[in-house]
Amino acid sequence: DGGITQSPKYLFRKEGQNVTLSCEQNLNHDAMYWYRQDPGQGLRLIYYSQIVNDFQKGDIAEGYSVSREKKESFPLTVTSAQKNPTAFYLCASSIVIGSTEAFFGQGTRLTVV
Amino acid sequence: AQSVTQLGSHVSVSEGALVLLRCNYSSSVPPYLFWYVQYPNQGLQLLLKYTTGATLVKGINGFEAEFKKSETSFHLTKPSAHMSDAAEYFCAVSSASGGSYIPTFGRGTSLIVHP
Repeated sequence: DGGITQSPKYLFRKEGQNVTLSCEQNLNHDAMYWYRQDPGQGLRLIYYSQIVNDFQKGDIAEGYSVSREKKESFPLTVTSAQKNPTAFYLCASSIVIGSTEAFFGQGTRLTVV
Repeated sequence: AQSVTQLGSHVSVSEGALVLLRCNYSSSVPPYLFWYVQYPNQGLQLLLKYTTGATLVKGINGFEAEFKKSETSFHLTKPSAHMSDAAEYFCAVSSASGGSYIPTFGRGTSLIVHP
């Protein structure tokens, strides 16, 4: 079945460590996104990519980095520079950016202690 | 710039009652509008979308929404709530304002259904 796979579902890290969240899609979508979800704040855009080897900062990119070396993959690295990294992270993809609906993965809950 | 406002962080209804979740958007150009549902610790699932054409849009699980340009609204309704409708609901807008179609989400409304 086609879809988006995020792994792992739960992730624990010590403060000061970088951590990479995986996102893979087999929908042949060009656009991919990373959102951060905190209670009562909805979804906030971290980074997005419209094509391989290209990506753009979203509203809250500070402390995060991404790569898009393959169409299917859009990993997110949460660096030690991110002040408050504990959150629920959602990856999504769409056929083209914005004008069609986004398909979401199941999310990764990151807890930094 | 585009934005979405969802009125009410929580909406409580009885089983069988009408569900109304409010969404107002801001966009300087014609928007695409979406409603998504999220169950605990899950991703978002599309309920329905408006792109062009008919302003009353029907979605899955008996939900529908009406695009009202004059009111810049896209409220979500369901005639009769079911216990399984309890979830978080997000309204989203996507438009060319700002140069590219990046979806912007509201803060979400938690729907509580009482037996």
